[in-house]
Amino acid sequence: EAGVAQSPRYKIIEKRQSVAFWCNPISGHATLYWYQQILGQGPKLLIQFQNNGVVDDSQLPKDRFSAERLKGVDSTLKIQPAKLEDSAVYLCASSPETNTEAFFGQGTRLTVV
Amino acid sequence: SQQGEEDPQALSIQEGENATMNCSYKTSINNLQWYRQNSGRGLVHLILIRSNEREKHSGRLRVTLDTSKKSSSLLITASRAADTASYFCAIRNTPLVFGKGTRLSVIA
Repeated sequence: EAGVAQSPRYKIIEKRQSVAFWCNPISGHATLYWYQQILGQGPKLLIQFQNNGVVDDSQLPKDRFSAERLKGVDSTLKIQPAKLEDSAVYLCASSPETNTEAFFGQGTRLTVV
Repeated sequence: SQQGEEDPQALSIQEGENATMNCSYKTSINNLQWYRQNSGRGLVHLILIRSNEREKHSGRLRVTLDTSKKSSSLLITASRAADTASYFCAIRNTPLVFGKGTRLSVIA
């Protein structure tokens, strides 16, 4: 079974630029998550989708971050404009149902300079 | 806050010893999950314990859950150098929320 795929693996951008991350969850998984993990900290949930609907986006900085999950499969997370404090690893995860374990991708390491 | 809080923040033990880390939380939960993250790698799910369960085993892992005290513990027996990683508890209510983690170092 293929795991959660994320791209790119690494991205370096200048502040005020925009960036997009892509995630392809495990086939058939209804729930998809985006997390931000700053070095030395635990993952912080940005947004959780159930199929193509948003379950929780209370921690998503909506003035600069946006996410969508078209057709309930792939998802993209966008940051526009980026700030220095957005430097982090962005993790995508999926789970078969809401209350089961989550399977994580390798993440995208973003550096904002 | 919905997130769990792990204790201790860091733990260093000798190979072969047992490692215990704890997680406390404040909200009601559907289940509680433990994950491991090796340096530079993604998060891997270890074990899930439901709110109506008190103890669960998986290989060298033993997890307990006390919903009256809103706490959980993860015991790793006979630790190995390969167990060196950060361990996170994750609270499942509706969203899946992670704590800050315990950094475990197992010295060979």
